[in-house]
Amino acid sequence: EVQLVESGGGLVRPGGSLRLSCEASGFTVSRNYMSWVRQAPGKGLEWVSLIYSGGATYYADSVKGRFTISRDNSKNMLFLQMNSLRSEDTAVYYCAGIVTGAVQFWGQGTLVTVSS
Amino acid sequence: QLVLTQSPSASASLGASVKLTCTLSSGHSNYAIAWHQQQPEKGPRYLMKLNSDGSHYKGDGIPDRFSGSSSGAVRYLTISSLQSEDEADYYCQTWDTDMELFGAGTKLTVL
Repeated sequence: EVQLVESGGGLVRPGGSLRLSCEASGFTVSRNYMSWVRQAPGKGLEWVSLIYSGGATYYADSVKGRFTISRDNSKNMLFLQMNSLRSEDTAVYYCAGIVTGAVQFWGQGTLVTVSS
Repeated sequence: QLVLTQSPSASASLGASVKLTCTLSSGHSNYAIAWHQQQPEKGPRYLMKLNSDGSHYKGDGIPDRFSGSSSGAVRYLTISSLQSEDEADYYCQTWDTDMELFGAGTKLTVL
């Protein structure tokens, strides 16, 4: 059974930083594509960032230059380093496991609130 | 530009069937998509991957009541024998070489 468990969310002031983690089991992070997807309160799903099995990384324009996706193959974990946070980054952040392009596995989400 | 278009809302009666649509932008009619369900106050759940030829591959435990089909640039999710727990938001998702993309979602109300 695949499980993706996010952690690291919380309350942070505008301009601050936060690092999200996603611990995977039953799914090898290094051999698959992985994404972060977020959902602002009352809004739809928004793709944030993607990492290929080969290591290439991609970002939505809204976070480019501020967020960094990475992984630790030895720990089978995915990370999202978020810097220069803005109020509009407030959302539930989901870790997502991708198989042949489609998100097939979702974490339970972690809430990030950016507020002074 | 790759865009997914979904109707904001749909409704159908308990026990009836409903067909939700997701339309791919011009030039992208051969793209596959995935359908996801998000019940109130819950995280998203993968339903199926749907190819342009209508073949689809459902996630583990997804009931036979859920099926997918395709026609040109339109991808469909059909839910038959509607149950109260089917009341949810439904999102389509696609991908390109450097991105993932979600539609805005359809809110399904079961009457």
